[in-house]
Amino acid sequence: EVQLVESGGGLVQPGGSLRLSCTASGFTFSSHDMHWVRQTTGKGLQWVSAIGTSDDPYYSDSVKGRFTISREDAKNSLYLQMNSLTGGDTAVYFCARGRISSWTMDVWGQGTTVTVSS
Amino acid sequence: DIVMTQSPLSLPVTPGEPASISCRSSQSLLHSNGNNYLDWYLQKPGQSPQLLISLGSKRASGVPDRFSGSGSGTDFTLKISRVEAEDVGVYSCMQALHVPITFGQGTRLEIK
Repeated sequence: EVQLVESGGGLVQPGGSLRLSCTASGFTFSSHDMHWVRQTTGKGLQWVSAIGTSDDPYYSDSVKGRFTISREDAKNSLYLQMNSLTGGDTAVYFCARGRISSWTMDVWGQGTTVTVSS
Repeated sequence: DIVMTQSPLSLPVTPGEPASISCRSSQSLLHSNGNNYLDWYLQKPGQSPQLLISLGSKRASGVPDRFSGSGSGTDFTLKISRVEAEDVGVYSCMQALHVPITFGQGTRLEIK
């Protein structure tokens, strides 16, 4: 079964850091671009970051310089290092698989919740 | 950035009736290869988003044929031929042509 499982969410103070992980199974992880997408309470989906199969990273302007995406193909894992967190980063974070040769996200994890609050 | 605008934002529908959601992009999503890089996603209550339609009109695996996508360039439409109770949730369009990838605001479909 194709599956993505996120972990690492939690409560963090403003200015703090958190590292999210996403573990993939059931497919050849190294062949797919991977994404992080977040959703704030009651609001729409917001693309956060993506990483290509050649480790090429992409970021939204809202997180550029604060977040770092990475992958470890040997462990079928995707990561998001989040630094200098603010209340605006409070959201459910989903990892998603990119369809081969496309940005289309065809498999999504269940999400992990990040709350930034003092 | 490409801005995605959906309408309506709320859509009450009687079961068995059709439903239609519009999505407009601030720039053309038509690639030189002939594909429109526009996806539709559905997030059912308490669940993660799921892919419904890619490339403007291609149903994802397992998606019922009552769902259809159409359009080209900057104007796209998602249609449900006969709404069922299980179709409730938030429908979002997404442009997959340029980074940053952007989503529409989402349309909440509810059953009357």
